[in-house]
Formats: sequence, structure tokens, C-alpha cells
Amino acid sequence: EAGVAQSPRYKIIEKRQSVAFWCNPISGHATLYWYQQILGQGPKLLIQFQNNGVVDDSQLPKDRFSAERLKGVDSTLKIQPAKLEDSAVYLCASSLSGGPGELFFGEGSRLTVL
Amino acid sequence: KNEVEQSPQNLTAQEGEFITINCSYSVGISALHWLQQHPGGGIVSLFMLSSGKKKHGRLIATINIQEKHSSLHITASHPRDSAVYICAVRIGNQFYFGTGTSLTVIP
Repeated sequence: EAGVAQSPRYKIIEKRQSVAFWCNPISGHATLYWYQQILGQGPKLLIQFQNNGVVDDSQLPKDRFSAERLKGVDSTLKIQPAKLEDSAVYLCASSLSGGPGELFFGEGSRLTVL
Repeated sequence: KNEVEQSPQNLTAQEGEFITINCSYSVGISALHWLQQHPGGGIVSLFMLSSGKKKHGRLIATINIQEKHSSLHITASHPRDSAVYICAVRIGNQFYFGTGTSLTVIP
């Protein structure tokens, strides 16, 4: 079974530039999460999708971050314009349903903002 | 206050030692997960627990629902066990993560 796919693995940009990350969850997983993990900290939820609907985006900085999952399968997270403090690993995860199911993570996309 | 507290934050052990990492949480949960993150790598799920104890190879995870506490044990530790171990709890439809325990096993 293929795991959660993310790209790119690494991205370096200058502040005020834009960047987009892509995630393809495990086939059949209805729930998709985007997390931000700053070095030395645990993952912080940015947005959670159930199919193509947003369940929770309360911690997403909506003035610069956006995410979509138009067909309920793969998802894109965009940052525009980027700030220095956005340097982090952006993790995508998926789970089968909203119940107490296992959580599967992608390899993450490491963003460095200069 | 963080919903999930882990200890210790950092841990260095000699190869072969028995290792314990602790996790405490403050509210009722539907499941607790132990995750492993290697440097520069993604996160791998080690265990999902809702009660009792689970074992996989040299790894053992236990949970005490009444005390709201879980432990991850590594027997006969090896340098390849060096990683960050993260405790995560599921509350409703969301996951809450500890800040992780950075483990270094020295040959």
C-alpha cells in the first residue's frame, strides 16, 4: 500500500515569495491533515479536511496561508507571502475516518525562508 | 497548558540499556499514539493504544486510562533507535501532540 506522498521535500525561498506544497493521502482516507512543525516542537494543526470539506482551520493564518482539497483526494497548502517564521516542516497526514483510527504521515516538506 | 506532556525532553543512553519515555494527558481521549521521527525524516506510527499494553519487537507501549498516563519502553536499545519519540492523543476529531523526547543511543 502506498503511503502519504508529499512534495517537494525541500524548498528554500526568500521572504515575501510564495510557495505551494502538495499532498496525496493514502487511497480511501477521508481525513487529511496539514501540520506545521517548527524545530524542537511538536506538530501544530493548520487545517483538517474531511473529504473536500474543512473540519478545522482555526489555527491557519488565513492572511497568508490557504489550503484546498477540491476533489476530496489530494490537497495543496499555499503560503503567500512567506515570512521568516514560516520556516518549518509541513507535514501531511491522513486517516481512514473520523473515528479512533491510525494516523499516517508523509515525509514532510521542509521550508526555509531566507 | 499543553494537553500532552512528555518526559524527559532529552535522553541519552548507552547501547543495550532499557529506556522509558513517559506521556501524561489531561482530558479523556479516544486513543493514544506513539510516533517516531528520525532526523530529516517523516513521522512513523509505532503504536495506537486505547487500553492495556502492546508489544512490537523491542518496543512496548502501555497505557493507564485512569491515571491518564502512557509509557513507551525500548528494551536492549540500539543506536538505530536514536530518534524523536512523540506522544499524540486523539480527542474527538483532533490530534494533540507532545513536544517529543529526543533519544540518542550511544554505541
